[in-house]
Amino acid sequence: GEDVEQSLFLSVREGDSSVINCTYTDSSSTYLYWYKQEPGAGLQLLTYIFSNMDMKQDQRLTVLLNKKDKHLSLRIADTQTGDSAIYFCAESDYKLSFGAGTTVTVRA
Amino acid sequence: DGGITQSPKYLFRKEGQNVTLSCEQNLNHDAMYWYRQDPGQGLRLIYYSQIVNDFQKGDIAEGYSVSREKKESFPLTVTSAQKNPTAFYLCASSMTSRGGLETQYFGPGTRLLVL
Repeated sequence: GEDVEQSLFLSVREGDSSVINCTYTDSSSTYLYWYKQEPGAGLQLLTYIFSNMDMKQDQRLTVLLNKKDKHLSLRIADTQTGDSAIYFCAESDYKLSFGAGTTVTVRA
Repeated sequence: DGGITQSPKYLFRKEGQNVTLSCEQNLNHDAMYWYRQDPGQGLRLIYYSQIVNDFQKGDIAEGYSVSREKKESFPLTVTSAQKNPTAFYLCASSMTSRGGLETQYFGPGTRLLVL
């Protein structure tokens, strides 16, 4: 989606932290989401953050939101091989607008 | 088990042929969506339906048609007017589509290939 931008690729060593960044344009977005897609599968909701929050933590996942800069990030702690996937950032007004997805590759 | 199912997993289309992709949900969701996914482009919205017997065009509706005769079902027809139909098609549903926390749940997808 042209309103949501993400870098396309990220390579990370197993056990390190991954940080995936996203910028969006719609300041009226109420919620922002992170979805995960494994090869040949549908999208799985990982987490979401309400626009009046600046941080949300859920086990190994930390979402940071800078509303002033319209910047969202997803940090995955202790990255595992099972975290290899495409990660989509999405913003929600009356419909979801998705970024192009960041392909995360975890190397041993 | 509650969820969204899509069939078939793979579908082949010949030139000039219409094909229909199935999407069924038993989550009692009012809203349903169809997306197209191409490599490096993320997901683009084709059609969505907020309620039975009603649907709206998304960003790339040309060459596609839908119906919503039942709450559980939202089939997508790829018509011969769609000149570049090869893609991965994803169906999703949510409780409503009126904004707020409208978490969308996705089916496993159908890959359409042109012969």
